[in-house]
Amino acid sequence: AQSVTQLDSHVSVSEGTPVLLRCNYSSSYSPSLFWYVQHPNKGLQLLLKYTSAATLVKGINGFEAEFKKSETSFHLTKPSAHMSDAAEYFCVVSGPSGGYNKLIFGAGTRLAVHP
Amino acid sequence: EPEVTQTPSHQVTQMGQEVILRCVPISNHLYFYWYRQILGQKVEFLVSFYNNEISEKSEIFDDQFSVERPDGSNFTLKIRSTKLEDSAMYFCASWPGTEFYEQYFGPGTRLTVT
Repeated sequence: AQSVTQLDSHVSVSEGTPVLLRCNYSSSYSPSLFWYVQHPNKGLQLLLKYTSAATLVKGINGFEAEFKKSETSFHLTKPSAHMSDAAEYFCVVSGPSGGYNKLIFGAGTRLAVHP
Repeated sequence: EPEVTQTPSHQVTQMGQEVILRCVPISNHLYFYWYRQILGQKVEFLVSFYNNEISEKSEIFDDQFSVERPDGSNFTLKIRSTKLEDSAMYFCASWPGTEFYEQYFGPGTRLTVT
């Protein structure tokens, strides 16, 4: 069985400061991992994905995440937050083939960015 | 850039009524999915569909739900007799069938059952 835990339901940062959104996963085989973002009243947009290639994954809008098997973590980071980053972020786990299998979503982390 | 579209964006219906939510997946994609997100809760998998049949479904996807690809472009989710607890955002997604690609999501349909 697979599961994902997002350790913070809300994160608040100041514009220009680093962002860290934490995610731990559980999987009985090599997973695919994703971060999706949802802006208010919008759909789900893929930020980045890990599918057994490089462990440090770079995504859109300056976000990146590092797959750490020993820690079963896939934390999302950004060096400098922008006001437009305010949104809900979902860590997602799936099977080893990427998007073939059903996606298991975390509960989400709401990121607030203050001026 | 190709995208998944969903209609309507918002549907209001009375309890007990049937609703059909429509999705147009990306044209060369082979696998199709429905997910839902009850307000304030996580996104949950409902069903996956390939080659005109259900490949996997969750325990949420009971006999009140059905999916169909009626014409080779649309992918529909039908709820036969809606309940209050069916109120949620419903997302359609599609996958091209190529390993290591992600699922592409539509913007969602907000279903409100009164």
